[in-house]
Amino acid sequence: DAKTTQPTSMDCAEGRAANLPCNHSTISGNEYVYWYRQIHSQGPQYIIHGLKNNETNEMASLIITEDRKSSTLILPHATLRDTAVYYCIVRVQKTGANNLFFGTGTRLTVIP
Amino acid sequence: NAGVMQNPRHLVRRRGQEARLRCSPMKGHSHVYWYRQLPEEGLKFMVYLQKENIIDESGMPKERFSAEFPKEGPSILRIQQVVRGDSAAYFCASSPDRGDNEQFFGPGTRLTVL
Repeated sequence: DAKTTQPTSMDCAEGRAANLPCNHSTISGNEYVYWYRQIHSQGPQYIIHGLKNNETNEMASLIITEDRKSSTLILPHATLRDTAVYYCIVRVQKTGANNLFFGTGTRLTVIP
Repeated sequence: NAGVMQNPRHLVRRRGQEARLRCSPMKGHSHVYWYRQLPEEGLKFMVYLQKENIIDESGMPKERFSAEFPKEGPSILRIQQVVRGDSAAYFCASSPDRGDNEQFFGPGTRLTVL
């Protein structure tokens, strides 16, 4: 699975959009971009994933560049409960598949 | 539909004792994954199992650690003769058979070795 690079930490004001970048310059054509987050002491929570088109769900939006070498997770209206470590993971999608490789992630702090 | 269940949530063992961690996947899921998280670090993959089969144990330490997922009952991660370095949070995740591989995580078991 391709490696990813994320900033160590970010702050965001409550109510504003949080934009979390991820670089994955060695991504392969069949690898998807996944985002998970881990709120303190809890198990990771799936947020969103995509291949090359932008994706949106009730939690967030995922913007993937045309060359697929980077992506941005957008939380449109950050709340204090969005404070967490956010992990960007790239991997092949297949039944069962294998492990998720969690790097160090980005620690997002939403400030009141 | 209940989520992934793990028990116990907290486990304290003395050095040399055995630790057994249990994971019940979500209903309809037959794929189980175990991860370990040391303090201030990201999750590290340990083992991937399907019912009665170990598919990938490349992240498991060679000694003292074992995992199973029997036909009936929860998946078990077993650590024999625990040492202080085994103190960590152990997370279990499960995924369905439908072809995608979104993993759903349990709340974790926090193991403390005295």
